[in-house]
Amino acid sequence: DQQVKQNSPSLSVQEGRISILNCDYTNSMFDYFLWYKKYPAEGPTFLISISSIKDKNEDGRFTVFLNKSAKHLSLHIVPSQPGDSAVYFCAARNGNQFYFGTGTSLTVIP
Amino acid sequence: KAGVTQTPRYLIKTRGQQVTLSCSPISGHRSVSWYQQTPGQGLQFLFEYFSETQRNKGNFPGRFSGRQFSNSRSEMNVSTLELGDSALYLCASRSQGLAGTDTQYFGPGTRLTVL
Repeated sequence: DQQVKQNSPSLSVQEGRISILNCDYTNSMFDYFLWYKKYPAEGPTFLISISSIKDKNEDGRFTVFLNKSAKHLSLHIVPSQPGDSAVYFCAARNGNQFYFGTGTSLTVIP
Repeated sequence: KAGVTQTPRYLIKTRGQQVTLSCSPISGHRSVSWYQQTPGQGLQFLFEYFSETQRNKGNFPGRFSGRQFSNSRSEMNVSTLELGDSALYLCASRSQGLAGTDTQYFGPGTRLTVL
């Protein structure tokens, strides 16, 4: 049972434009959400996180939005750069366990 | 600080064999989790160890087992390998900080191929 879902397997965006990656979850007990970025042949790298008591967290070009009523999480990257091309995973925590989505492959076109 | 290290990076085994993977967490981190990544399935949680005790377990068969040593290093064992066990196995450590800063740090993974 996939409790965290990323319904878009891939996304292509022009350099300089906004990239929006989406994530939906089903478990209302999740209290902490994270985004990871993964390059081929490397492990996922932590990008940004948000607590369930907030609805927005910003870090440079990256902003995460949380809509608890819709059980929806999104990552905005502005402006997108070619180096952002990678697979992005969203994750959610319940207790001591983390649940991951299946990933969205982002390609930023120069 | 050195990051999470995993050995070996690549492994090729045949069906029916068994395999042991190793993970050294970031110094000071006491929690180690293992994940399996396959195309289209994302990261599937295997188990978590904290202070040498298995604290959480995912939905994997008993062929998958692990342990953690007193220095927090962890090993994962898969017995009677099946073709479907071919995957990238990722280890992650975390420091168990405050809720707002709880982050897992991943190693580069071990790519297991079962022939």
